[in-house]
Amino acid sequence: EAGVTQSPTHLIKTRGQQATLRCSPISGHTSVYWYQQALGLGLQFLLWYDEGEERNRGNFPPRFSGRQFPNYSSELNVNALELEDSALYLCASSFGSGGREQYFGPGTRLTVT
Amino acid sequence: TQLLEQSPQFLSIQEGENLTVYCNSSSVFSSLQWYRQEPGEGPVLLVTVVTGGEVKKLKRLTFQFGDARKDSSLHITAAQPGDTGLYLCAGVEGAQKLVFGQGTRLTINP
Repeated sequence: EAGVTQSPTHLIKTRGQQATLRCSPISGHTSVYWYQQALGLGLQFLLWYDEGEERNRGNFPPRFSGRQFPNYSSELNVNALELEDSALYLCASSFGSGGREQYFGPGTRLTVT
Repeated sequence: TQLLEQSPQFLSIQEGENLTVYCNSSSVFSSLQWYRQEPGEGPVLLVTVVTGGEVKKLKRLTFQFGDARKDSSLHITAAQPGDTGLYLCAGVEGAQKLVFGQGTRLTINP
């Protein structure tokens, strides 16, 4: 069974640009979660999507947004990039919603210069 | 938002030694999970503990959930270099999302 996949693996952008990160959940999983992991820090919850709807978001500004498609894949968009947005962005999926066991992808390393 | 604190943040020991990592909160969680993350990869779920006082074993790893469901510990016996990694605890907050501790970076030296 394929795990959670994320693309691209690495992304380099300049300040002020927009970044789009993609995630495909495990087959059968309907919930997708996005986390930011800055260097040396733990995971910070960004967004949770379930059945195409945004269910919850963490303490991040509105320039962090996303969506979930009918096939349950998801996209994270970060507008007006700032240097401190440089981080590993992790996507996780779960079967059903609400804090069930989450399975993580390998992440997208975003570097803002 | 509930907070989880892990200790120690960094731990470097020799192969064969035993160690314990702690995860503490002032709040109650419905369940708690432990993950291990290796460089360049996402976290991998090791175990979920649900019942207060629950103990789960995974080979040389022993996980315990506190009686009050506010804290947890991970004990590794006879640590091996393959145990090296970032260990993260995560509490399930309500029914909505995981709250992660900041992690314990463990290095096992041959």
